[in-house]
Amino acid sequence: DFQVTQSPPSLSASVGDSVTITCRSSQSISTYLNWYQQKPGKAPKLLISSASNLQSSVPARFSGGGSGTDFTLTIDGLQPEDFATYYCQQSYGTPYTFGQGTRVEV
Amino acid sequence: QAQLLQSGSELKKPGASVRVSCKASGYRFTDYGIHWLRQAPGQGLDWMGWINTNVGNPSYAQAFRGRFVFSLDKSVSTAYLQISSLRSEDTAVYFCATEVPYYFDSWGQGTLVTVSS
Repeated sequence: DFQVTQSPPSLSASVGDSVTITCRSSQSISTYLNWYQQKPGKAPKLLISSASNLQSSVPARFSGGGSGTDFTLTIDGLQPEDFATYYCQQSYGTPYTFGQGTRVEV
Repeated sequence: QAQLLQSGSELKKPGASVRVSCKASGYRFTDYGIHWLRQAPGQGLDWMGWINTNVGNPSYAQAFRGRFVFSLDKSVSTAYLQISSLRSEDTAVYFCATEVPYYFDSWGQGTLVTVSS
């Protein structure tokens, strides 16, 4: 299985800050890495596919990068609506696996 | 725009069975596979497996083989998850999602299944 490890588990930040979340795969997964945002009581929402492809409805302050085993999600200029939990997910092979999540809080 | 509408919350006793439905709209049902995911209270996301909506063959992650069954009714564009012999540890929110290769594009709103005596 392709395990993905996300860090940090949580982080505290303020509106306007820039934050970076990292995701590391146990094996190379090329760019088969997606990022989701989840708010309490809601389904996850796709933010970035294939490591760096920003979805059309997602603000440009979100960006993703990396390939192989190391990936990042950066939020440049946190907004109040960005406080949520973020998950990475590898889609290189089944079983698809998710990182443990990063809770971004005030 | 694909939309997935799941059935409502369920409260079941240990040993019972439950069926969760996921009704698709806004796209041709057979265009995308339907995946099932579990989120235990306060925990992360677990991929349970998926069902090919063209041929109907399911594929299960190792941890979900045996008591979990995916099925379809193409006539009503609906996928189903059935869980038998429920245990307290099955208490979770279950999501369905479509996969546009290679990411989960649309999600259902989630169905809370609570197993308690």
